[in-house]
Amino acid sequence: AQSVTQLGSHVSVSEGALVLLRCNYSSSVPPYLFWYVQYPNQGLQLLLKYTSAATLVKGINGFEAEFKKSETSFHLTKPSAHMSDAAEYFCAVSSPDIGNKLVFGAGTILRVKS
Amino acid sequence: GAGVSQSPRYKVAKRGQDVALRCDPISGHVSLFWYQQALGQGPEFLTYFQNEAQLDKSGLPSDRFFAERPEGSVSTLKIQRTQQEDSAVYLCASSTRGLAGVTGELFFGEGSRLTVL
Repeated sequence: AQSVTQLGSHVSVSEGALVLLRCNYSSSVPPYLFWYVQYPNQGLQLLLKYTSAATLVKGINGFEAEFKKSETSFHLTKPSAHMSDAAEYFCAVSSPDIGNKLVFGAGTILRVKS
Repeated sequence: GAGVSQSPRYKVAKRGQDVALRCDPISGHVSLFWYQQALGQGPEFLTYFQNEAQLDKSGLPSDRFFAERPEGSVSTLKIQRTQQEDSAVYLCASSTRGLAGVTGELFFGEGSRLTVL
């Protein structure tokens, strides 16, 4: 069965510092992988997705993620954190053998310090 | 509307009451999903519609949960005889693609927060 593990329920970085949010997945078939962001009192918004094309995926707001099959990872990074990046981030996996529905991780709350 | 609209945004129910949560997807979107998000957890799949057909309801936690989308547009999630463990945010999402085309983006509503006392 597909599952997602997000290491660290809370991550705190200084403004301008590197953002690294970790995601490891489990899937018996080649997966599709996603990162969503949820700002306070707003709906989930797609940041980026991996669908078996390029392993390095660029998303909105300067975020990117790299699919590493050998490590079953899909970590999210941003070179320089901005105050507006403070939000909760969810990694999700999907694949045809589960009807292509999304299976989400528990989420990581990103705090950006000034 | 421009996005997925859910109502009510907040609902407080006494244990044993029935509740109905509404989702108005983006116009023309074929697929509609319901997710349940408990406090401190990620969203968990409840059910999926393609147009008016409910193709997957494997995530519904009990027979107290019922969802419908009779005309292939607006959907209602109904919870009968609510219990405290039903307290959660219920998210609705829609997509242009059917279930086989997951690479289409899911657009989420802001959710309906249900509190059962």
